[in-house]
Amino acid sequence: EVQLLESGGDLVQPGGSLRLSCAASRFTFSNYAMSWVRQAPEKGLEWVSSIGGRGGDTYYADSVKGRFIISRDNSKNMLYLQMNSLRVEDSAVYFCARRWVLDYWGQGTPVTVSS
Amino acid sequence: NFLLTQPHSVSESPGKTVTISCTRSSGIIASNYVQWYQQRPGSSPTTVIYEDNQRPSGVPDRFSGSIDSSSNSASLTISGLKTEDEADYYCQSSDTNTAVFGGGTHLTVL
Repeated sequence: EVQLLESGGDLVQPGGSLRLSCAASRFTFSNYAMSWVRQAPEKGLEWVSSIGGRGGDTYYADSVKGRFIISRDNSKNMLYLQMNSLRVEDSAVYFCARRWVLDYWGQGTPVTVSS
Repeated sequence: NFLLTQPHSVSESPGKTVTISCTRSSGIIASNYVQWYQQRPGSSPTTVIYEDNQRPSGVPDRFSGSIDSSSNSASLTISGLKTEDEADYYCQSSDTNTAVFGGGTHLTVL
């Protein structure tokens, strides 16, 4: 079965940076678009970003555009989310998921932005 | 961008059938696939319906999805309710280079 394992979540001060990683296994990673979705405490799901299978096409929610960068390394089956200029409102559990239809999800990694 | 509106909560008894709606604010519901995700407390979401009405392997056929063009909405129907179905359910769809979630519906089975 498809496996997605996120890591890199941490406590960071406002204005700081963090890089999240997602290790994918048990499917042909380069054949699939990948996405990041976040969930603030006691809130609903929010799409953050998606990337095409080859990495050339990237898409962002308006709330993170210009601050976050999605990327992938198909040779390592890894998905990344570089988060810069972090704000308190970016605090959430971040999930990676396969495809735009989000057919498989990881367990999530928590990010807390606080001074 | 468009919005997807879901009821905040629904409740029903075990063994009964419940339907959760997801109404698209603008654009045509049938123009982009709709997915449904189940999230139990403390767990990550799992897909129960994708591409409007497709069930992933392992999801029981008690779960079904449909699209109604007349109301510009999608629906998730769960029949033969079990207490384990109690969870939050989110609809999701995409438009040009963006994805949108509904606000989520909490299903109580009591």
